Amino acid sequence: RKEVEQDPGPFNVPEGATVAFNCTYSNSASQSFFWYRQDCRKEPKLLMSVYSSGNEDGRFTAQLNRASQYISLLIRDSKLSDSATYLCVSNSNSGYALNFGKGTSLLVTP
Amino acid sequence: DVKVTQSSRYLVKRTGEKVFLECVQDMDHENMFWYRQDPGLGLRLIYFSYDVKMKEKGDIPEGYSVSREKKERFSLILESASTNQTSMYLCASSWDYKAQYFGPGTRLTVT
Repeated sequence: RKEVEQDPGPFNVPEGATVAFNCTYSNSASQSFFWYRQDCRKEPKLLMSVYSSGNEDGRFTAQLNRASQYISLLIRDSKLSDSATYLCVSNSNSGYALNFGKGTSLLVTP
Repeated sequence: DVKVTQSSRYLVKRTGEKVFLECVQDMDHENMFWYRQDPGLGLRLIYFSYDVKMKEKGDIPEGYSVSREKKERFSLILESASTNQTSMYLCASSWDYKAQYFGPGTRLTVT
């Protein structure tokens, strides 16, 4: 079983739509969670950390549900520039290393 | 701003050659990582290092070795390159248990 599982998509949404991604993690001892964004043929870039109480950064909202072991990312008012692959991440047993999901592909269309 | 640099963006090598990929970070991070990324397989951890001269195997260490002689520099070595090592190689660094920051990647082709 993969440590972090995500729906690969693709999610095709019109500009201005709200879209939500979920992912599940298997290690109940994980303490750190993140969302990364990866553009085609580029490196992953940190989008935001995910905190227990939930957190927001502009149009992006991240939530953590420890009881169900899932993490979500909500994007409001989607822009064309939001088109990318979104990677869900939790820390591993070693602590230092991270477990990356395979990513969810988002395409925002005009 | 965190900066992680990798020695080459694109590299073409022949089967059997020894290949060195270098990574340098300027944020005094303790931890450094090497991943490979292949379509459909996601990011896979090859090796990581939590201190100078320290290294730990990741999920797919076979065929690779690493070296960390200085805190800011982490090298990945392919002792004898093979075609199945054609991939995108990504280096990352982090402080403690925090988020990792990636370099731009090296796209390696082994012919």
